[in-house]
Amino acid sequence: QQQVKQSPQSLIVQKGGIPIINCAYENTAFDYFPWYQQFPGKGPALLIAIRPDVSEKKEGRFTISFNKSAKQFSLHIMDSQPGDSATYFCAASDPYGSARQLTFGSGTQLTVLP
Amino acid sequence: DADVTQTPRNRITKTGKRIMLECSQTKGHDRMYWYRQDPGLGLRLIYYSFDVKDINKGEISDGYSVSRQAQAKFSLSLESAIPNQTALYFCATTQGWNTEAFFGQGTRLTVV
Repeated sequence: QQQVKQSPQSLIVQKGGIPIINCAYENTAFDYFPWYQQFPGKGPALLIAIRPDVSEKKEGRFTISFNKSAKQFSLHIMDSQPGDSATYFCAASDPYGSARQLTFGSGTQLTVLP
Repeated sequence: DADVTQTPRNRITKTGKRIMLECSQTKGHDRMYWYRQDPGLGLRLIYYSFDVKDINKGEISDGYSVSRQAQAKFSLSLESAIPNQTALYFCATTQGWNTEAFFGQGTRLTVV
């Protein structure tokens, strides 16, 4: 049972484009929504995170948009660069669940062409 | 040196063999985790530990066991490896809830 559904599975954009990765969730108790970036041969690393009391958060070229009523959140990468080519994972955390751990989406492999 | 170190980085083993993956961290965090990454499935939690005396099963614990030898060390064992345990395994640490998770560089395990 996948509690966080991520799309698309892969994405190819030209340099300067704005890739958008979407995630949807069912558990309304989720209260923390991070995005992780993973380069080949490396472990995932935190990129940006949002809590449900705000609708948008920006850090540099990366923006999370959050829609609580639709139970969806997305990552936008402005002015994408070839160095942004990586796998991106959305995640969510439920403070009341038995595990209270991060539940990850299935990942999106982003390729930014020069 | 990496904050979270996994050994080995790559391992090929035969079906039925016992294998241990090791993780150590220098961040001083209390919580440690083992995840498995498969293409198209993301990262799935195998086991997690809140401290040395606290071990908990995650989403996919069958066929795996763990040991928290110290606050800084958390090992994952496959008692009798099978081919569908071929995957990329990650150890991670956090300090408290809803905080940044720090991952190791992963162990690529192949069971033949």
